[in-house]
Amino acid sequence: QVQLQESGPGLVRPSETLFVTCDVSNYSVSSESLWAWIRRPPGKTLEWIGSIYHDGSTSSNPSLQSRVTISIDLSKNQFSLSLRSVTAADTAVYYCARLKFGTLPLGLDSWGQGTVVSVSS
Amino acid sequence: DIVMTQSPLSLPVTPGESASISCRSSQSLLHKNGYNFLEWYLQKPGQPPQLLIYLGSNRASGVPDRFSGSGSGTDFTLKISRVESEDVGVYYCMQALQGLTFGGGTQVEIK
Repeated sequence: QVQLQESGPGLVRPSETLFVTCDVSNYSVSSESLWAWIRRPPGKTLEWIGSIYHDGSTSSNPSLQSRVTISIDLSKNQFSLSLRSVTAADTAVYYCARLKFGTLPLGLDSWGQGTVVSVSS
Repeated sequence: DIVMTQSPLSLPVTPGESASISCRSSQSLLHKNGYNFLEWYLQKPGQPPQLLIYLGSNRASGVPDRFSGSGSGTDFTLKISRVESEDVGVYYCMQALQGLTFGGGTQVEIK
């Protein structure tokens, strides 16, 4: 069973960079899948941040694209999110997830437990 | 951008009865391959979301057959037959045709 675990800073100062990693167990990040970052701000719905394919290609939410970098580390079997110039609006629970792929998207079938990130001075 | 709109916002249900949640997309989610790129998730309190339905109507592994998804194009429905107390939580629809976009969520609670 695929397992994902986020690691985050807890607290980030405004204008700084948020960095979160997702450790993947029992499945290689280089296998055919899409790895996603999703967040849930307090009182709001889930928001897709961006994704990285097993081959390293990325896509991201147009509303966040200018501040987002997603990378994959095959040696550590993990992928990471970097979000620059954060504000209070970036306070949220951050989740990593796997979107299972065959020739079709088969759903975000594995999720991490989430890591709470607060942006405050 | 594809906008996902769910209704109702809140849904009180009686155990044993059925419940339905509606999801509408601003663009058709029907891919040229004939599949609808629409998924349903349930987020229980204190847990991450869990996949219920993918490609519009396919139940994910381990999901009870009380859950069913239907619809095509821009209009979709999640039906829960014989609601149980463990079904409480927030239900989300999500499109996977262009990036990923979630609906606003429907809070299901027991009467």
